[in-house]
Amino acid sequence: SQTIHQWPATLVQPVGSPLSLECTVEGTSNPNLYWYRQAAGRGLQLLFYSVGIGQISSEVPQNLSASRPQDRQFILSSKKLLLSDSGFYLCAWSVKGWSGGYTFGSGTRLTVV
Amino acid sequence: AQSVTQLGSHVSVSEGALVLLRCNYSSSVPPYLFWYVQYPNQGLQLLLKYTSAATLVKGINGFEAEFKKSETSFHLTKPSAHMSDAAEYFCAVSEGAGNQFYFGTGTSLTVIP
Repeated sequence: SQTIHQWPATLVQPVGSPLSLECTVEGTSNPNLYWYRQAAGRGLQLLFYSVGIGQISSEVPQNLSASRPQDRQFILSSKKLLLSDSGFYLCAWSVKGWSGGYTFGSGTRLTVV
Repeated sequence: AQSVTQLGSHVSVSEGALVLLRCNYSSSVPPYLFWYVQYPNQGLQLLLKYTSAATLVKGINGFEAEFKKSETSFHLTKPSAHMSDAAEYFCAVSEGAGNQFYFGTGTSLTVIP
């Protein structure tokens, strides 16, 4: 069966520090991968999505970047965190051409102090 | 262009009462529609989905939703609310299998004992 792992679960980082959040999917190949952010009291904001290794599409210009170094690995990064980067970050995957929907990871709660 | 509107960012119901969470969509082609549930500090879990089969869709935990093309709606209902139903609920639309999702802003459901 397919599983998605996201870590860490919680993270507290000072302003100006770097960030690296990792997401991996098991049990499937060539998935579509997504990073979403949920700010407090707000909905889901799509940050990045990837249809293959090295292929990243950015939905919102910001202080963050994403990379897909391997087929089932998706990394969200920042060189210097801002207070406004605080939020709940969710990774998700889907099967290409399938109508079953997205499967989400358990999320990372990031607090920038 | 696709979009989803969830009317009511907060809904409160008494335990045992009907739950009705509203979702309207816009799509230029027949849509795929989804409802997800999110418990505090967790990822999103798929409740149910409509993918052009039966218009009344039954999901997990006693929830169901009806696709009404004429009203461009996909409201989520449950006959009798349980305390464990308290969560955030997201409606989402996709214009085809494997295509990108567009999420609503979410509805927070409170169940009053």
